[in-house]
Amino acid sequence: DIQMTQSPSSLSASVGDRVTITCRASQSISNYLNWYQQKPGKAPKLLIYAASSLQSGVPSRFSGSGSGTDFTLTISSLQPEDFATYYCQQSFSTSRTFGQGTKVEIK
Amino acid sequence: QVQLQESGPGLVKPSGTLSLTCAVSGGSISSTNWWSWVRQPPGKGLEWIGEIYHSGSTNYNPSLKSRVTISVDKSNNQFSLKLNSVTAADTAVYYCARAGSYIDYWGQGTLVTVSS
Repeated sequence: DIQMTQSPSSLSASVGDRVTITCRASQSISNYLNWYQQKPGKAPKLLIYAASSLQSGVPSRFSGSGSGTDFTLTISSLQPEDFATYYCQQSFSTSRTFGQGTKVEIK
Repeated sequence: QVQLQESGPGLVKPSGTLSLTCAVSGGSISSTNWWSWVRQPPGKGLEWIGEIYHSGSTNYNPSLKSRVTISVDKSNNQFSLKLNSVTAADTAVYYCARAGSYIDYWGQGTLVTVSS
């Protein structure tokens, strides 16, 4: 199984801040890395696929980068609606795995 | 617009079998997509359970593989999850989803509690 490790597990930030979340794979996964946003009581929402491709309808303040084992999700200017939990997921292997999540809270 | 809707019992007894169905609308289950199940225990993260293609090919989470069966019903445009020998650790919100290299459509999720 490919393990996905996110850091940090949680962070506090203010509206307007630049936020970066990291996801590390236990082995190379090329660019088979997706990012999701989840708000309480709701299903996750796809933000980024293939490491850096923005899903249709997702604001451009969200961006993704990386390949191999190290990936980042960046929110360029945090908005009130961005306070949520973010998950990475690898789709390189036929056993897809998620990271443990990063909760973004209001400072 | 693809929509997915989970259905099934909200309460399952320990050692019993959890059974859920996901009805797909707005698209064909025979399209070039995989169809997945993901679960989330209360207050915890997401866990990928497995996926199925319309041909019947499946991939499962190795940690659950011995207890999980995912099947597809093309005539009714739906797919199903069975998880046997459940314990309290299987209590979670269960999501069905359209997948492949990424999950782009999710059901709303259904809470299944394992308790006597």
